[in-house]
Amino acid sequence: EPEVTQTPSHQVTQMGQEVILRCVPISNHLYFYWYRQILGQKVEFLVSFYNNEISEKSEIFDDQFSVERPDGSNFTLKIRSTKLEDSAMYFCASRFGVDAIEQFFGPGTRLTVL
Amino acid sequence: GENVEQHPSTLSVQEGDSAVIKCTYSDSASNYFPWYKQELGKRPQLIIDIRSNVGEKKDQRIAVTLNKTAKHFSLHITETQPEDSAVYFCAASRGFGNEKLTFGTGTRLTIIP
Repeated sequence: EPEVTQTPSHQVTQMGQEVILRCVPISNHLYFYWYRQILGQKVEFLVSFYNNEISEKSEIFDDQFSVERPDGSNFTLKIRSTKLEDSAMYFCASRFGVDAIEQFFGPGTRLTVL
Repeated sequence: GENVEQHPSTLSVQEGDSAVIKCTYSDSASNYFPWYKQELGKRPQLIIDIRSNVGEKKDQRIAVTLNKTAKHFSLHITETQPEDSAVYFCAASRGFGNEKLTFGTGTRLTIIP
């Protein structure tokens, strides 16, 4: 069964550094999402992406964040200047289309900002 | 925006007993309500979902009920087993286009052998 994959599984970075989290959605999916989960808390929506542009973003997704689909398979989340409070598990998810409502989640990238 | 509240935050039940987790939502336009199970350090896994045109859905030991008028939906797990121990999240979405999922705060379910 196809799965969403994410790399790396764990990223440690210094405060102020840039990080890029990578996701490979399921191949025929059209809608892409990033969520984050701070340790012990609920999953929070960051951004949705369709047709090579952002469809919706949350208040968390400020100017320090950006997303990109650089080719036909990858979907990336960039944090330009990481803060301590960016430490969280970041999940990528994808969805096939308008009538296929289920979002499939990747295994997550644990980001630790020191 | 949508707000989803979930209760209880922790739940312990004896193996074989039933567990019920409840959620309420605020956005009357929400029409898709999935439930995710998350084991420690792993991805959220969809276990069951319901759309607003259905009042109840069942899949083996798991069922979900929806009351649109009250904006309330619940997860029911019967004949609980140790492997049901996990954190369960409810979520709500408008379900069209590419709408985001708004999650509840989670319920840590512990099955006592």
